[in-house]
Amino acid sequence: NAGVTQTPKFRILKIGQSMTLQCAQDMNHNYMYWYRQDPGMGLKLIYYSVGAGITDKGEVPNGYNVSRSTTEYFPLRLELAAPSQTSVYFCASSITAPTEAFFGQGTRLTVV
Amino acid sequence: DAKTTQPNSMESNEEEPVHLPCNHSTISGTDYIHWYRQLPSQGPEYVIHGLTSNVNNRMASLAIAEDRKSSTLILHRATLRDAAVYYCILRDVGANNLFFGTGTRLTVIP
Repeated sequence: NAGVTQTPKFRILKIGQSMTLQCAQDMNHNYMYWYRQDPGMGLKLIYYSVGAGITDKGEVPNGYNVSRSTTEYFPLRLELAAPSQTSVYFCASSITAPTEAFFGQGTRLTVV
Repeated sequence: DAKTTQPNSMESNEEEPVHLPCNHSTISGTDYIHWYRQLPSQGPEYVIHGLTSNVNNRMASLAIAEDRKSSTLILHRATLRDAAVYYCILRDVGANNLFFGTGTRLTVIP
């Protein structure tokens, strides 16, 4: 059972570049989330989705975009990467709210 | 979402019980109490959740105060694998997401 899969695991970007962080879940969960975690801090919610075609902003959405065309995939797009976006990014999913959420292993992003 | 207060860090000896406290004095009647943990270099992992009654599962027990203003996560026999950051989170029944604080870093001493 794969659960929540994130790719890539590590990435270094130059300032101004763009990239897409991939997230896939095979549990048929309706809810999906993107969080970022800065060193020594808790997780902050970037965007979330309650189903295909529906997305909403979290606490820290600036500089990011998401889409949810299918139940399985929830990619996170960074446009014009900035050093402040250096962080570890976690994708998660849950059947509904407020149930158990399953997290991926994270993508460690460095912007230089 | 209502706030939670947890100690920054705690230590426990291996194979002894651990009681991790959480204060949530502004909890509302529709807030569920969730606990997650994050092992080093991993994503958070669900531990347990409850509303009013105490809850048990294979990982831990959750003791909820009668007035619901505090709760305690109980690990019955700490192992080295339980060393992690433990997050206590309140989640309203109608909320669509989880808000994480900074949690309690648990160190397990061999």
